[in-house]
Amino acid sequence: EVQLLESGGDLVQPGGSLRLSCAASGFTFSNYAMSWVRQAPGKGLEWVSGIGGGLDDTHYADSVKGRFTISRDNSKSTLSLQMNSLRAEDTAIYFCAKDAIPYNGVWDPFDFWGQGTLVTVSS
Amino acid sequence: EIVLTQSPGTLSLSPGERATLSCRASHSVTNNYLAWYQQKPGLAPRLLIYGASNRATGIPDRFSGSGSGTDFTLTVSRLEPEDFAVYYCQHYDTSPPRTFGQGTKVEIK
Repeated sequence: EVQLLESGGDLVQPGGSLRLSCAASGFTFSNYAMSWVRQAPGKGLEWVSGIGGGLDDTHYADSVKGRFTISRDNSKSTLSLQMNSLRAEDTAIYFCAKDAIPYNGVWDPFDFWGQGTLVTVSS
Repeated sequence: EIVLTQSPGTLSLSPGERATLSCRASHSVTNNYLAWYQQKPGLAPRLLIYGASNRATGIPDRFSGSGSGTDFTLTVSRLEPEDFAVYYCQHYDTSPPRTFGQGTKVEIK
């Protein structure tokens, strides 16, 4: 059974940093691209960042580029998101999501999602 | 970057009725790389449709997707009580970002 378990969400002051983690199980983690998707309170879904099969194959939404860094540890089946220079508008539930098909150069839809972790940026 | 516009914002229908949701792309979607998700309050989204018209594993056949190019549709043939939720379309391709539409809420009339 595929499971994605996020952790690390917290209340942080503007300008602060936070590191989110997503522990994956039930599938061959290294074969799949992974992403972070966020949802601000009462709002829609926003893709934040994705990482492909290669550790250097990373992509970011313009809203977080230069502030957030995605990474993965295939030996521990763990996805991470380092968030720096946090702003109030980064307040959201952050979901970890798995691509539906083993990575082959095409970024696929998400067939499994974690339950999300809440990040609140406020003074 | 492709921008996806969903309509209507809210759809008020009764159980048993047909729901038709629209997703319009700002540019043509390559290879119909368009997905639909359902999200209920407090839960993560669930993949319904991929490749514009393919049902994901375990999705009932009352859900169907159609369209190509810039215009896509999600249809729920007969609404069940559990189908009242928010629906999002998403574009995916060889290069990010994988943008979402703003969502359509299907509510009980």
